[in-house]
Amino acid sequence: NAGVTQTPKFRVLKTGQSMTLLCAQDMNHEYMYWYRQDPGMGLRLIHYSVGEGTTAKGEVPDGYNVSRLKKQNFLLGLESAAPSQTSVYFCASSYSIATPVQNEQFFGPGTRLTVL
Amino acid sequence: DAKTTQPTSMDCAEGRAANLPCNHSTISGNEYVYWYRQIHSQGPQYIIHGLKNNETNEMASLIITEDRKSSTLILPHATLRDTAVYYCIVRSTVKAAGNKLTFGGGTRVLVKP
Repeated sequence: NAGVTQTPKFRVLKTGQSMTLLCAQDMNHEYMYWYRQDPGMGLRLIHYSVGEGTTAKGEVPDGYNVSRLKKQNFLLGLESAAPSQTSVYFCASSYSIATPVQNEQFFGPGTRLTVL
Repeated sequence: DAKTTQPTSMDCAEGRAANLPCNHSTISGNEYVYWYRQIHSQGPQYIIHGLKNNETNEMASLIITEDRKSSTLILPHATLRDTAVYYCIVRSTVKAAGNKLTFGGGTRVLVKP
């Protein structure tokens, strides 16, 4: 199993450009998440999804949109990139089971995004 | 979810035990304590979790005080590869919460030879 994969690994954008980050998981997880991590900070939740076709806002959703058309994929879009969105973006997935034994989150390797 | 307080950083000697404290004085009855770690430039990795009993797995041990207001993660024999940021997270088990994690600043652990 590949686990959680993210595409691309690195990207440089100019202010105002748009792009989509792709997250894919092969563990049949129901839940998926997008986080951002700024230098020296902990991760902050942008959006998450509890199932195919559903999405919800996290702590810092402004400036981002997401879609979950397939269970295994979770897309993060930036419609008009701003320098404040320069960050490392992590995707994660987990089972929906409430008991903590089986609902740990598995994280991808991250996408390093720079907006000039 | 309850907030947690951790020291910003700590050093540990290779081969010795590393004891990482975490305060979560506002924890409620349906909240578990989770520990994740993040090795430089990688995604966070789950370590261990607990409710009120002490827990041990192949990576670490978790000691939770009787009043559940604090806990300690123990890495029994720290190696250089344990150098990472360690996050203590308290999370509800209610399914409607979406299993979300709230990361604080964590403790930056440096294992020295």
